[in-house]
Amino acid sequence: NAGVTQTPKFQVLKTGQSMTLQCAQDMNHNSMYWYRQDPGMGLRLIYYSASEGTTDKGEVPNGYNVSRLNKREFSLRLESAAPSQTSVYFCASSWTGGKDTQYFGPGTRLTVL
Amino acid sequence: GENVEQHPSTLSVQEGDSAVIKCTYSDSASNYFPWYKQELGKGPQLIIDIRSNVGEKKDQRIAVTLNKTAKHFSLHITETQPEDSAVYFCAAEISGNTPLVFGKGTRLSVIA
Repeated sequence: NAGVTQTPKFQVLKTGQSMTLQCAQDMNHNSMYWYRQDPGMGLRLIYYSASEGTTDKGEVPNGYNVSRLNKREFSLRLESAAPSQTSVYFCASSWTGGKDTQYFGPGTRLTVL
Repeated sequence: GENVEQHPSTLSVQEGDSAVIKCTYSDSASNYFPWYKQELGKGPQLIIDIRSNVGEKKDQRIAVTLNKTAKHFSLHITETQPEDSAVYFCAAEISGNTPLVFGKGTRLSVIA
């Protein structure tokens, strides 16, 4: 099992460009999450999908959109990147919601110039 | 909603000493409390968790204690080693299918 995979590992964008971060899990988990991690800020939830076909906003959703493409895949889109979105992005998945272990991917380091 | 406070934000210990990280939570209905370790350049990984029906759980050099009355839980690492150096996050469950709430993390440095 690969667990949770994320692509790309690194990305540099110019202000105003768009991009999609991809995430896939092979553990047959129902719930998936997107976090951003900034220095000293811990993990902040952007969006989550409690089950296939549903998505909900987290703590910091502005400037992002998500798609739960199927049970395995959950993508995060930046429509018009801003320097404030420079961060490390982590995808995670769990069997169900909060009472189950979350498994994290290796992260995507995004720089917006 | 649930709020999780984690202390300290940084912690330095000598190799072989013990390290303790503490977290408090606000929602008395929370029942699941995991701890994650994040090594440099990697995603967080679960190292131990505890549910509200027990007060303590151990796994070799790490242990977690839970005081539901006081609404706090702690991570204890004994006989620390350089490879224990990492950022540690606590988290707490809130009700239903909503995601875990994470503390802001503790950067642990073990000095050889």
